[in-house]
Order: sequence, then structure tokens, then C-alpha cells
Amino acid sequence: LAKTTQPISMDSYEGQEVNITCSHNNIATNDYITWYQQFPSQGPRFIIQGYKTKVTNEVASLFIPADRKSSTLSLPRVSLSDTAVYYCLVGGYNKLIFGAGTRLAVHP
Amino acid sequence: ETGVTQSPTHLIKTRGQQVTLRCSSQSGHNTVSWYQQALGQGPQFIFQYYREEENGRGNFPPRFSGLQFPNYSSELNVNALELDDSALYLCASRPDRALGNEQFFGPGTRLTVL
Repeated sequence: LAKTTQPISMDSYEGQEVNITCSHNNIATNDYITWYQQFPSQGPRFIIQGYKTKVTNEVASLFIPADRKSSTLSLPRVSLSDTAVYYCLVGGYNKLIFGAGTRLAVHP
Repeated sequence: ETGVTQSPTHLIKTRGQQVTLRCSSQSGHNTVSWYQQALGQGPQFIFQYYREEENGRGNFPPRFSGLQFPNYSSELNVNALELDDSALYLCASRPDRALGNEQFFGPGTRLTVL
């Protein structure tokens, strides 16, 4: 199972763009890259998922380089409500592995 | 609204007791997974069920067991509770046609073992 590495914490200010990078050097050919958001005492919430290149939805963009050994979650114009823990996951259909995640703090 | 519900919301047990946690997922979601999340850590995978059969398990002892029922409900049973079992227990369901790792999580059950 691919292991992921992401920063432990990040700080930002309202209105800024936030980019969180995740490295997954051992990603398998068939693995998707998935990001979740979690608020305290709540279950994780699916944000975005991709296989290659760029994926965009209403809340975020996901950039994946050609070698797929890393990925970057981009949150445009963050607000205070984006303060949460963000998890990057790859592979593991029947054994989803969460790391420690990135704690994002958005300041006024 | 994810459609995944869990009960109870909170639970307090004493060491050595047994506990059953329940989860109800959406129609058409035949895969359900259970996770344990200790304070300040990421969720840890316990096991996964597909159509009432376990098809994946994490590094948890046999005293953690589960059941999945045809009506999209499932249970997590923990025997001989230990203090370290205190955590938020999450269930997640997966649509049958989902690609990758998209799952829908419930709000969790907070278990405290005294």
C-alpha cells in the first residue's frame, strides 16, 4: 500500500489560495489519489479525487504531475470555515490508510 | 447530508465490558468500512464488509468483530474493552459504482472506556 507524506500543519489567511502537497512515491498504476477534509468530532468528508493531470470541482482543484509521485490540493480563497485537517490517500480499496493529515488554520 | 447514520452518538463503558456500535448506510452502498480514530490522529482502518462478508482487515485484534446486514446496516462489536479503545468510531459506506477511494462517512460514535 502506498504511503503518503504531507505537511503536519499550515497557516493561511482569509482570501488566500492554499496549496497542500502530498508525496506518494510508491503509488501503484491503478491507484487513485483522494483527499478528505475533517472537522473536529466529525467524520471525514470527501473533497476531490483524481488519477492524472488536473481535476477541478466546486470546492478545490487537484494537480497531479505526469509521474504521479505527488499531488497538490489547491483551495482557492480560503475562509475561516476551511480550518480543518486535510488527508491525502492513495490506493487501498479494501484497506484505506489515513496518515496524520495536514492541519490547516485559516486566520482572519 | 451523506446519508450515513451512526448510533449511539456517545457511549461510556468500563474496562472488560462489551460494546456494539451501529451504522446505517444508503441504499446501493454494499461496501461498509469501520475506522477507529484516537484523539489527534488520523482514522485507522479496522475492517471492511462487502455484501455481508469481510473483505479487508486492518491491524486490530479478533475482539473487534463486525456484521453487515442486507438492509444496509452494520455493526461493530468490541469485546473485553480496554482503556485504549477510547476513540471516535467511524463507519463509511461506498457506492457500488464508485471509483477510487470515495466513501461517505457517518458522524461517528464517541466511545469512552473507564
